[in-house]
Amino acid sequence: QKEVEQDPGPLSVPEGAIVSLNCTYSNSAFQYFMWYRQYSRKGPELLMYTYSSGNKEDGRFTAQVDKSSKYISLFIRDSQPSDSATYLCAMSPGGYQKVTFGTGTKLQVIP
Amino acid sequence: GAVVSQHPSWVICKSGTSVKIECRSLDFQATTMFWYRQFPKQSLMLMATSNEGSKATYEQGVEKDKFLINHASLTLSTLTVTSAHPEDSSFYICSARPGQGSTGELFFGEGSRLTVL
Repeated sequence: QKEVEQDPGPLSVPEGAIVSLNCTYSNSAFQYFMWYRQYSRKGPELLMYTYSSGNKEDGRFTAQVDKSSKYISLFIRDSQPSDSATYLCAMSPGGYQKVTFGTGTKLQVIP
Repeated sequence: GAVVSQHPSWVICKSGTSVKIECRSLDFQATTMFWYRQFPKQSLMLMATSNEGSKATYEQGVEKDKFLINHASLTLSTLTVTSAHPEDSSFYICSARPGQGSTGELFFGEGSRLTVL
């Protein structure tokens, strides 16, 4: 079993839809959770960064962490074609310990 | 967010030559930088952790003599792919954490696409 599981997709939605992206994990030591957006042939761009359980909102993006279920989510409201990219979840126990990435979910928002 | 710059963004070289990729933190100091490799449609594979002023820590299966890492200052790490072969063709990405005692937030460079002919 991988430490972090993420559905690779692809996920296709119409413009304006609410998108839900998810990751599950097995390491209970993970405390810090991140979501990255990666466009084709580009480096990942940090979207959201959360600590422990709870919700965090930034514009159209909402990150949720449920440590009891070892489950994290990223919601995108009013999705736009420019949101079409691969979304990577990432997590770490903190400090200088290694960050573990999911395999990424490819999202396509259709105009 | 913090800015990490990577250069070159793409490079083509002949088999047997060496290629150097630079990673710079532009607006913060980074005692630790990370080098990743990414194959098409796959996630990031951590190759090594670059530590300022000391030797890099390589992940299992990564040849340290093949992928030379130097972290000479708090804002610059370099990855040199020595005697490159076609199987080394890949997308190489660096990342860095701002400051001391950082909590895990990583910022990435734009990536460098290496093609070995």
